[in-house]
Amino acid sequence: QKEVEQNSGPLSVPEGAIASLNCTYSDRVSQSFFWYRQYSGKSPELIMSIYSNGDKEDGRFTAQLNKASQYVSLLIRDSQPSDSATYLCAGKVYDKIIFGKGTRLHILP
Amino acid sequence: DVKVTQSSRYLVKRTGEKVFLECVQDMDHENMFWYRQDPGLGLRLIYFSYDVKMKEKGDIPEGYSVSREKKERFSLILESASTNQTSMYLCASRFGQPNTGELFFGEGSRLTVL
Repeated sequence: QKEVEQNSGPLSVPEGAIASLNCTYSDRVSQSFFWYRQYSGKSPELIMSIYSNGDKEDGRFTAQLNKASQYVSLLIRDSQPSDSATYLCAGKVYDKIIFGKGTRLHILP
Repeated sequence: DVKVTQSSRYLVKRTGEKVFLECVQDMDHENMFWYRQDPGLGLRLIYFSYDVKMKEKGDIPEGYSVSREKKERFSLILESASTNQTSMYLCASRFGQPNTGELFFGEGSRLTVL
């Protein structure tokens, strides 16, 4: 199993709906997880980090960590066309930050 | 404002040439990283550095080396460029402590090896 895995998509979601992005991780990944957003032709930027089991909310974004099932998810409420991007899940393996391949999200107007 | 600067946005080199990719950060970060990003493969870690003169191999170090003589600068070196090293190269940095993991990325260097 790869250390951090994501479905590459594309995931298409109507404007105003909830977008749900998922990521699974292996035993090697420690309990620090990050969601980065990358617009086409741009560099990744951090949007959420989560370190403990449960939910963490920041505006329209909610990160969820389930340690027992080894998955982390990102929910985007009231999706906007500006949310169209690639979302990268990342986790820590010792001091390395390892990324999944990313999920492309399209918000349909 | 946080700043990670990669000196070259676009480079075209020939097979066998030596290539230097430079990265400078102005945030006094201890840790610096080099990734490459390829379609379908995502971001893959080449090398990282905990601090000055310290370096660790990432997942795909073959064909690359690095140099970190000063805290703010982390260089990626391709001793003899090959066509399979055509890629987008991303430099990133972060604080060593607290070990929050937030990476700040440069704008990337797109390298084409002919």
